[in-house]
Amino acid sequence: AQTVTQSQPEMSVQEAETVTLSCTYDTSESDYYLFWYKQPPSRQMILVIRQEAYKQQNATENRFSVNFQKAAKSFSLKISDSQLGDAAMYFCAYRSTNTGNQFYFGTGTSLTVIP
Amino acid sequence: EPEVTQTPSHQVTQMGQEVILRCVPISNHLYFYWYRQILGQKVEFLVSFYNNEISEKSEIFDDQFSVERPDGSNFTLKIRSTKLEDSAMYFCASSEGSWVTEAFFGQGTRLTVV
Repeated sequence: AQTVTQSQPEMSVQEAETVTLSCTYDTSESDYYLFWYKQPPSRQMILVIRQEAYKQQNATENRFSVNFQKAAKSFSLKISDSQLGDAAMYFCAYRSTNTGNQFYFGTGTSLTVIP
Repeated sequence: EPEVTQTPSHQVTQMGQEVILRCVPISNHLYFYWYRQILGQKVEFLVSFYNNEISEKSEIFDDQFSVERPDGSNFTLKIRSTKLEDSAMYFCASSEGSWVTEAFFGQGTRLTVV
């Protein structure tokens, strides 16, 4: 089964600075999707960014970008110019293209943004 | 913007009681899911539902669990006889179809079994 590991339970960043959240995964599949979801306190999980494994180019969404290293099975999230509203729990997730629709999640990283 | 809504936000129940967690998926979505997260652990897949039947379920989803879409809008998760270890955050999600990579999640229901 696929596993997703987030080794940083908590991270903090100064407002306007850059922070990188780590994620590694384990799979024998060659084609899959990777996601970062953000969950603000008492709110639903919101998709931040996604990456298709067949694409070599790293995904970017405004201040959010990923460093996708397929061979190393690494998928880190970089948040540039951090804002107070970025404070949330961030989940890394894997989704197979072959074995159904379920997501495999990491344990999450709680990000604090310091004013 | 359409969103998945879950009720209640927090449910406390006594061990052995039945609970029903409710979800209203996004209206044009066809696939529905339940996930749970025990405190400090990973978000785990429970079940997916399509065309009024379960399409996939995990080992966690045993005979104590059931899902239903009773009226075409709500999507419910029932736990027949709750155990202490069922205490967790339960997330509902929906997606337009299996070909769509993105799923939309609700804010979760925190279930506490005492």
